[in-house]
Amino acid sequence: ETGVTQTPRHLVMGMTNKKSLKCEQHLGHNAMYWYKQSAKKPLELMFVYNFKEQTENNSVPSRFSPECPNSSHLFLHLHTLQPEDSALYLCASSPIGNNQPQHFGDGTRLSIL
Amino acid sequence: DQQVKQNSPSLSVQEGRISILNCDYTNSMFDYFLWYKKYPAEGPTFLISISSIKDKNEDGRFTVFLNKSAKHLSLHIVPSQPGDSAVYFCAASELSGSEKLVFGKGTKLTVNP
Repeated sequence: ETGVTQTPRHLVMGMTNKKSLKCEQHLGHNAMYWYKQSAKKPLELMFVYNFKEQTENNSVPSRFSPECPNSSHLFLHLHTLQPEDSALYLCASSPIGNNQPQHFGDGTRLSIL
Repeated sequence: DQQVKQNSPSLSVQEGRISILNCDYTNSMFDYFLWYKKYPAEGPTFLISISSIKDKNEDGRFTVFLNKSAKHLSLHIVPSQPGDSAVYFCAASELSGSEKLVFGKGTKLTVNP
């Protein structure tokens, strides 16, 4: 059983739709992350939040908009996505500090029509 | 250019034998290394880690070896079990930015009964 829960598990949307991905962690961590995994590519870090503050934006297009209302919840708001944005989106959390492993949710499989 | 490379997309071993998964990196600033295991339809699960001040870390059947001069690390699983069949990801981070994990593409391990 994972301490990081992502919803929905699967999402199909058109390019003009607006949707949101949700992540919730029950591990008491203060850092949260969004990753993207495309087919045949390694996981790519998108955003990092420490104590609700964004500390990393890895050159992600503005059609992806993260939100972190508190240390336990993380959202990824999606609008006007492109077909190449179809991927597995993974959320992770960790304690803040050096050499702390990140714990992942099971991901949202996103398909853009 | 990939900073973390797992050159073997797949590996097949017999139950009870040793599995050796390899990982190479190019960034000499990396000083913390992790292995994750991923089953289908699940998120990556943290397995074992090692910091650059060590050359070996052991946890039960899993041992990670680090060769800093060769920029190479390996994960040994002994004895291998069918339940170990999964995709294994190598990841690395720098001390100054330890939340920024850089992942390899993964190696799919199949342990045959």
